[in-house]
Amino acid sequence: TQLLEQSPQFLSIQEGENLTVYCNSSSVFSSLQWYRQEPGEGPVLLVTVVTGGEVKKLKRLTFQFGDARKDSSLHITAAQPGDTGLYLCAVPRGGSNYKLTFGKGTLLTVNP
Amino acid sequence: NAGVTQTPKFQVLKTGQSMTLQCAQDMNHNSMYWYRQDPGMGLRLIYYSASEGTTDKGEVPNGYNVSRLNKREFSLRLESAAPSQTSVYFCASSDRGRSSGNTIYFGEGSWLTVV
Repeated sequence: TQLLEQSPQFLSIQEGENLTVYCNSSSVFSSLQWYRQEPGEGPVLLVTVVTGGEVKKLKRLTFQFGDARKDSSLHITAAQPGDTGLYLCAVPRGGSNYKLTFGKGTLLTVNP
Repeated sequence: NAGVTQTPKFQVLKTGQSMTLQCAQDMNHNSMYWYRQDPGMGLRLIYYSASEGTTDKGEVPNGYNVSRLNKREFSLRLESAAPSQTSVYFCASSDRGRSSGNTIYFGEGSWLTVV
């Protein structure tokens, strides 16, 4: 059983559209992170959420941590081709704050 | 600002050969990691080193060994490569154990093919 379920697995949209991707689990987490990975590169941290119900904004990206701290969403407004990449959520595992378990990711393609 | 540097970037091995992936970070981080990334499997932790002088197994340690050479360097060794070890390998580092979340910085990846 996968600890983190990300959906959708693939998403292809046109420039200017809005989208939401999800990261779900049956477990409660102390924090949750979102990373973006561009082709041929390593993942880069976008945001960390730690409080249930927390909403963080990063330009056109809005991140929300579920009230019960079991799930999270990432909403992108007016997507641009530069948003193309693999979006990964990650949580601490095994009681350790410095080991992360990653979801399988959502591969987003934004077409011009 | 180099960050996390790993070498080589590409490598082709024959089954049974050995090799070492090298990794160095210049951010004075305590913790270092090796992950592998496979299609449909996501990123999986192979080994990690919480601090200099310590190493521990992650989710998929079989077939690998690691050495934390000093605070900067963390190497991953394949003693007898198998086709199942064909993957993209990422080295990463982080500050140790901050309670509000731990930012992990990744290298650019090493593409390994075992034939």
